[in-house]
Amino acid sequence: GQQLNQSPQSMFIQEGEDVSMNCTSSSIFNTWLWYKQDPGEGPVLLIALYKAGELTSNGRLTAQFGITRKDSFLNISASIPSDVGIYFCAALIYNQGGKLIFGQGTELSVKP
Amino acid sequence: DTGVSQDPRHKITKRGQNVTFRCDPISEHNRLYWYRQTLGQGPEFLTYFQNEAQLEKSRLLSDRFSAERPKGSFSTLEIQRTEQGDSAMYLCASSLASGYNEQFFGPGTRLTVL
Repeated sequence: GQQLNQSPQSMFIQEGEDVSMNCTSSSIFNTWLWYKQDPGEGPVLLIALYKAGELTSNGRLTAQFGITRKDSFLNISASIPSDVGIYFCAALIYNQGGKLIFGQGTELSVKP
Repeated sequence: DTGVSQDPRHKITKRGQNVTFRCDPISEHNRLYWYRQTLGQGPEFLTYFQNEAQLEKSRLLSDRFSAERPKGSFSTLEIQRTEQGDSAMYLCASSLASGYNEQFFGPGTRLTVL
């Protein structure tokens, strides 16, 4: 079946550092989404990408939809303690009712 | 608050009992999704509705699970004869059916089966 491989699984960084995580698949997708999840809460949408090659920013976050439509990455610049959480990539295929397939998540820890 | 809401937030039950969860989507969204998330994993799709019609069910959704969206607004997910393996976070999301159908999630219902 379709799978998303997200890496790294976890990251421990110092406040102020930049962070990069990515998601790859052997399948082609129409939409890539990035979510952040805090413990005990639902995922919160950060960035949505709709076109191959698209680069989109949301504050300190930047994400790109890979040109092959099989991958995406998320960068966080100048990390702060509130960036702590689990980041998930998700991909969507329109002709499958818009259901999302999720990566395994990247757990980010930020040391002040 | 006009986001997706779920009730209850937490449910502890004994094995063999039935439980029901409710989801209220964003009011103008006609698609509603249910996902299940276990510890250390990403959410997994269970089922979705467009208006009141249930259009797809995952093979993860055994016969003990049933979901309804009777009037195309709120939805319920019922689990009959709960098993310890049903312990998970149950997430609801909603979206528009047309255009950019970004999915927005509720806070989830954490189910613990003893």
